[in-house]
Amino acid sequence: QQQVRQSPQSLTVWEGETAILNCSYEDSTFDYFPWYWQFPRESPALLIAIRPVSNKKEDGRFTIFFNKREKKLSLHITDSQPGDSATYFCAASDRGSALGRLHFGAGTQLIVIP
Amino acid sequence: GPKVLQIPSHQIIDMGQMVTLNCDPVSNHLYFYWYKQILGQQMEFLVNFYNGKVMEKSKLFKDQFSVERPDGSYFTLKIQPTALEDSAVYFCASGGTDSGNTLYFGEGSRLIVV
Repeated sequence: QQQVRQSPQSLTVWEGETAILNCSYEDSTFDYFPWYWQFPRESPALLIAIRPVSNKKEDGRFTIFFNKREKKLSLHITDSQPGDSATYFCAASDRGSALGRLHFGAGTQLIVIP
Repeated sequence: GPKVLQIPSHQIIDMGQMVTLNCDPVSNHLYFYWYKQILGQQMEFLVNFYNGKVMEKSKLFKDQFSVERPDGSYFTLKIQPTALEDSAVYFCASGGTDSGNTLYFGEGSRLIVV
């Protein structure tokens, strides 16, 4: 059973537009939701993360919106830039410690056209 | 930022042979992980390791898999014997108590079993 689902699988936007990446999860005990991004031939890297105590987390052009009741979250990238082109992974963890294993979604490949 | 190094970056091996994947985690990190990613799919948790012990493993962590970190050297994943379905990219990650749930990933070791 897939614990974390992402949509769309692939997304293309023009430079300057807002890209919206969706994520949903199964386990209501998940309490930490990081988004990782991965550029070709590079390692996944933490982009931004949120905990259920808040329903929004903002960092520059990147914002996570979180809906605990529906077990959904989304990553909004405003003023998209070609350098944002990457694969974005939504993940979830059910422990507050570093021992928590991450459950990853299958990823959304974002392409930003200049 | 902090770097996790993985050696080799890729390896082709005959089915049935043994392979060892090496990981040099971020210094001072205490928690170590292996994830497996089959082409086009999400990363899936294999195992986490702390204080010299396996803390948790998934059903993907078959009996043929083993991990160790002898004397603070490389954190290794050994597969003996290898099977065709072991072909994947294996990502090592490490985390420290000061980084909460943040995991730092290596660039992966691409294993091809023929």
